[in-house]
Amino acid sequence: SAVISQKPSRDICQRGTSLTIQCQVDSQVTMMFWYRQQPGQSLTLIATANQGSEATYESGFVIDKFPISRPNLTFSTLTVSNMSPEDSSIYLCSVVYRDHTGELFFGEGSRLTVL
Amino acid sequence: QQQVKQSPQSLIVQKGGISIINCAYENTAFDYFPWYQQFPGKGPALLIAIRPDVSEKKEGRFTISFNKSAKQFSLHIMDSQPGDSATYFCAASFFFSGSARQLTFGSGTQLTVLP
Repeated sequence: SAVISQKPSRDICQRGTSLTIQCQVDSQVTMMFWYRQQPGQSLTLIATANQGSEATYESGFVIDKFPISRPNLTFSTLTVSNMSPEDSSIYLCSVVYRDHTGELFFGEGSRLTVL
Repeated sequence: QQQVKQSPQSLIVQKGGISIINCAYENTAFDYFPWYQQFPGKGPALLIAIRPDVSEKKEGRFTISFNKSAKQFSLHIMDSQPGDSATYFCAASFFFSGSARQLTFGSGTQLTVLP
């Protein structure tokens, strides 16, 4: 089965600081996405992580706030910058595997609490 | 155009009963409709998915019914069990070049199956 590892699994941060979340997958993927799930809410796409180029952001999300890197086919990072309590959410990495039927799989998420 | 509307918000079913969750979409270009199951503290896990070339897909106790003309699809859980208690999300996407693209999620249904 697919293995998508996210680090950290949870963290408590102070207002104004930044946190980088890592996503490592066990085999090559065609696409990687970052989603946000606010407490008790649905999932909202933040951006598509593009290998070797700038991420593609959805409406309402900007690179200065959520810089994303994807240096290779199996790894990506999402940084939540200058955090405020409103950023308290679960951040989820999602991938499409090259050898699957094109379906999306999710990591277990990184639960972020901002004080 | 990108919305996926899901109902009900919560559902309580007796063990052995049938759980039914409904979703409606607006964008007729969507051609991939997955359902995800999420347990507390976990990432969403793909449960079952359907493409619009069929009206029904069944996997074990889980069935998707799809009505293309009405732009609606639903998840039926037969013989519901307490272990099925989770949050269920419908989603819609474009399926292009053998891969699903970014998903648009419904608002989620919290299912509780009573023993």
